[in-house]
Amino acid sequence: EIVLTQSPTTMAASPGEKVTLTCLASSSVNYIYWFQQKSSASPKLLIYYTSNLASGVPDRFSGSGSGTSYSLTIRSMEAEDAAIYYCLQLTSTPYTFGTGTKLELK
Amino acid sequence: QVQMRETGPGLVQTTQTLSVTCTVFGFSLTSYGVHWVRQAPGKGLEWMGIIWGDGSTNYNSALKSRLSISRDTSKSQVFLTMNSLQTDDTAVYYCARLRTPYWGQGVMVTVSS
Repeated sequence: EIVLTQSPTTMAASPGEKVTLTCLASSSVNYIYWFQQKSSASPKLLIYYTSNLASGVPDRFSGSGSGTSYSLTIRSMEAEDAAIYYCLQLTSTPYTFGTGTKLELK
Repeated sequence: QVQMRETGPGLVQTTQTLSVTCTVFGFSLTSYGVHWVRQAPGKGLEWMGIIWGDGSTNYNSALKSRLSISRDTSKSQVFLTMNSLQTDDTAVYYCARLRTPYWGQGVMVTVSS
């Protein structure tokens, strides 16, 4: 089973600040998906196939990476970006989610 | 328009069996796989399993012995069945097409003795 470890676990960013979240895989994966979850809502797809922006997602979000190391970047933090972010690998079953990063507004 | 909607019992007794239904709209179950994901209170997302368009399944290793995913394509419904429930199975259960933006709203299931 591929384990996805996200870092940091929790962080706070000021409005306008650049934010980078990391997802490390225990074995190489072909691509990563990123989801955003606010309070008790269903997770929202942000990035698919590592770097493709889902429909309606602001272009301040971007994704990159390969192999075992992936990242999600917010170019300029906004208040509405405060949420929990999860990565997901759909390369090999059993599929697995990352441990999550809680992003707070400073 | 694609929609996914979970329905479930709300409260289940320990050692009993959980049954949750996902009814889908706007796509065919023979064309797309449907995943089940759960989230315990205050915890992260846990992938449970998938039923593929051809009807085959894959499961989370830790749940495999207790979990079954099936479907009725004529009713556009996917079923999650999990036996021997314990209190740590208390969670929101979601169905989703994970490669896309489509998730259900989730159904809260509380397991209590």
